[in-house]
Amino acid sequence: SQTIHQWPATLVQPVGSPLSLECTVEGTSNPNLYWYRQAAGRGLQLLFYSVGIGQISSEVPQNLSASRPQDRQFILSSKKLLLSDSGFYLCAWSVLAAGELFFGEGSRLTVL
Amino acid sequence: AQSVTQPDIHITVSEGASLELRCNYSYGATPYLFWYVQSPGQGLQLLLKYFSGDTLVQGIKGFEAEFKRSQSSFNLRKPSVHWSDAAEYFCAVQHDDMRFGAGTRLTVKP
Repeated sequence: SQTIHQWPATLVQPVGSPLSLECTVEGTSNPNLYWYRQAAGRGLQLLFYSVGIGQISSEVPQNLSASRPQDRQFILSSKKLLLSDSGFYLCAWSVLAAGELFFGEGSRLTVL
Repeated sequence: AQSVTQPDIHITVSEGASLELRCNYSYGATPYLFWYVQSPGQGLQLLLKYFSGDTLVQGIKGFEAEFKRSQSSFNLRKPSVHWSDAAEYFCAVQHDDMRFGAGTRLTVKP
């Protein structure tokens, strides 16, 4: 069966520090991968999605970036965190471009 | 522009009472429609989905939703709410990509 792992689960970082959140999917090949951010009361905001290795589409201009170095690995990064980057980050995958998403457990980022 | 609206930010119902969570969308064509549930500090779990066919779809945990094209709605219902249903519920629509509503937080009173 397919599983998705996301880490770290919780992260507290100072303003200006770098960020790396990692997501891996097991049990499937060539998944579509997504990063969402969830801020309180604002639902889920799509940040990045990827349909293949090295293929990243960005939805929102910001100081975050994403990379897909391997088929089932998706990394969210920042060189310098801002206070506004605090939130709950969710990685997700899907088999097809159209279809349900399967979510990881999320990473809670607090920027101080 | 594509949009998903969940008009109710927070709903409180008594245990055993019926529930309806509203969802409206604005798209040029009929998208794929989903309802997800999120417990605190966790990821999202799919409750049900509509792609085509019968407009009343059944999901897990006793939930159902009805697609009404004329109203651009996909409301979630449950006839009798359990305390364990307290969570945040998200409606989502997919055309080119997946877009989520802002969510409705459900509180269940004993």
